[in-house]
Amino acid sequence: DSGVTQTPKHLITATGQRVTLRCSPRSGDLSVYWYQQSLDQGLQFLIQYYNGEERAKGNILERFSAQQFPDLHSELNLSSLELGDSALYFCASSVEDRGTDTQYFGPGTRLTVL
Amino acid sequence: AQSVTQLGSHVSVSEGALVLLRCNYSSSVPPYLFWYVQYPNQGLQLLLKYTSAATLVKGINGFEAEFKKSETSFHLTKPSAHMSDAAEYFCAVSRMDSSYKLIFGSGTRLLVRP
Repeated sequence: DSGVTQTPKHLITATGQRVTLRCSPRSGDLSVYWYQQSLDQGLQFLIQYYNGEERAKGNILERFSAQQFPDLHSELNLSSLELGDSALYFCASSVEDRGTDTQYFGPGTRLTVL
Repeated sequence: AQSVTQLGSHVSVSEGALVLLRCNYSSSVPPYLFWYVQYPNQGLQLLLKYTSAATLVKGINGFEAEFKKSETSFHLTKPSAHMSDAAEYFCAVSRMDSSYKLIFGSGTRLLVRP
């Protein structure tokens, strides 16, 4: 158990819908990263937050957004869902924002868009 | 730009045999390098990391990796495979550009034959 929790574990929804994925980082970790794992794209970085502020963006679609709240949990919002958004979404957290910091991964949320 | 190449999407070894999973990276600056393991239906777990200290890095479960700058490689080895090592292994590189996000290779699935 990494100490990072993600809810829900599974999510099945229809095209055009909107969903919210939730991540609680390890206690004391200030950085939260979101990654998408799909068969065709592999593991890709989406976005990072550090202590409530957006730090970096990767290959995140405009239909996707995220935020980190004062209690440091984070939410990833996916809207106007398409079939291609079906994937495993991971949240990871680290103590700070240093290259030497280990990123601890949650168990993921498996999103299926029908 | 940074990138990671993992040679061999599948590697099959006999139980007790040497495990060698290959990873080559491309980075314009000295990188931080990581190996993660993913068991079925689980998140990613850190095996080991190189952060510019010793070039031979020892990790959990008997794995180790050697950073070779001249070969831009960070191959993962284990002297004797165990059935429980069957999983998918990801090599990742990180270095500050806009963040310390992880850039992952495409993964290698390790199969262990009895």
